[in-house]
Amino acid sequence: GAVVSQHPSWVICKSGTSVKIECRSLDFQATTMFWYRQFPKQSLMLMATSNEGSKATYEQGVEKDKFLINHASLTLSTLTVTSAHPEDSSFYICSVRGTEAFFGQGTRLTVV
Amino acid sequence: SQELEQSPQSLIVQEGKNLTINCTSSKTLYGLYWYKQKYGEGLIFLMMLQKGGEEKSHEKITAKLDEKKQQSSLHITASQPSHAGIYLCGADGGSNYKLTFGKGTLLTVNP
Repeated sequence: GAVVSQHPSWVICKSGTSVKIECRSLDFQATTMFWYRQFPKQSLMLMATSNEGSKATYEQGVEKDKFLINHASLTLSTLTVTSAHPEDSSFYICSVRGTEAFFGQGTRLTVV
Repeated sequence: SQELEQSPQSLIVQEGKNLTINCTSSKTLYGLYWYKQKYGEGLIFLMMLQKGGEEKSHEKITAKLDEKKQQSSLHITASQPSHAGIYLCGADGGSNYKLTFGKGTLLTVNP
């Protein structure tokens, strides 16, 4: 199965700064990757679909200018949280679909 | 849009007891995934079911998908503390490859 590596595992940043999260598919060429967000004790909510070589598709209610997604190659998608605020603090996790759905280990973002 | 309802929301059992977690979909499922998650960590893939009536087992965990493909159950036999965690069911959206998740079931297994 596909191995998905997400980096960093956790990050603390100051309000107003931007944070980039990387999602790498180590053994699978992924034309599509998915970004999810999870609040404490809640389920995963799909934020956007990252498409290699084209614009990401965002779910309703997700600000595309706030959460910038870049999928420049078949093995790497990045999520940048711009001008982060404390309410952006959350657990972000990426996924790659093959015959099954594989997930990265997640990134815990804390904005102080 | 597809919605998944999981029950119970939380469950506390004594080690050695059997338990069942249910996942009900508002629409027919193309595929149903079960994952386990430790809070704040990634998802561990357990099983995927696609066919009506399908049943899969791995070690002490058995998952079933009903004939109508709208309900799935996850059964753990002789639970152990290592089974503790959050169990999530995810519905395959079909051609768009999106997964929609239930809210999860928090399982606690007391020694």
